[in-house]
Amino acid sequence: NAGVMQNPRHLVRRRGQEARLRCSPMKGHSHVYWYRQLPEEGLKFMVYLQKENIIDESGMPKERFSAEFPKEGPSILRIQQVVRGDSAAYFCASSSGQLEQFFGPGTRLTVL
Amino acid sequence: RKEVEQDPGPFNVPEGATVAFNCTYSNSASQSFFWYRQDCRKEPKLLMSVYSSGNEDGRFTAQLNRASQYISLLIRDSKLSDSATYLCVVNNDGGFKTIFGAGTRLFVKA
Repeated sequence: NAGVMQNPRHLVRRRGQEARLRCSPMKGHSHVYWYRQLPEEGLKFMVYLQKENIIDESGMPKERFSAEFPKEGPSILRIQQVVRGDSAAYFCASSSGQLEQFFGPGTRLTVL
Repeated sequence: RKEVEQDPGPFNVPEGATVAFNCTYSNSASQSFFWYRQDCRKEPKLLMSVYSSGNEDGRFTAQLNRASQYISLLIRDSKLSDSATYLCVVNNDGGFKTIFGAGTRLFVKA
């Protein structure tokens, strides 16, 4: 029973490029959450999605960031025109509803 | 006031010590509560859910006080491997909003 999968685990981008982070939830889970964690800081909620719907995007920056969770395939967090301040660990979690969330191993984004 | 507040850390304790973490939440309608553990540069992992009646899992005991809106985690007989950051988590709005506390770092020393 595979857990939450994220790829890539490490991603290096130059300023101005695009970053695409993927998350496959646990089998049977239809709720996906994205979080960002800066070095030595806590988890910051970004967005909560269910299949084909964004439920809560209150934590998403207004520009350059978008997320989707299509009917088929993984959830994607997309960051356009990356800047150095986007360097962080991005964690995805999934749940089956109003229950505990299970996290993937994260994607560490480094912007040069 | 933050929605979820935790004890500021870090806690430095010797092996074998008992350590307690507290967490307060602001939304009286919050419905479910959890403690997670996060090791350095790793993902958070569920430690235990917190029930109104309190619950225990080995050396770990979690308590919920709805009247005072706080949650606690007690670790008995601390081990070196307990060193980590402990995150208090609260679910609101029927589970649609999950809020993580900033975490409390624990260092257990030999």
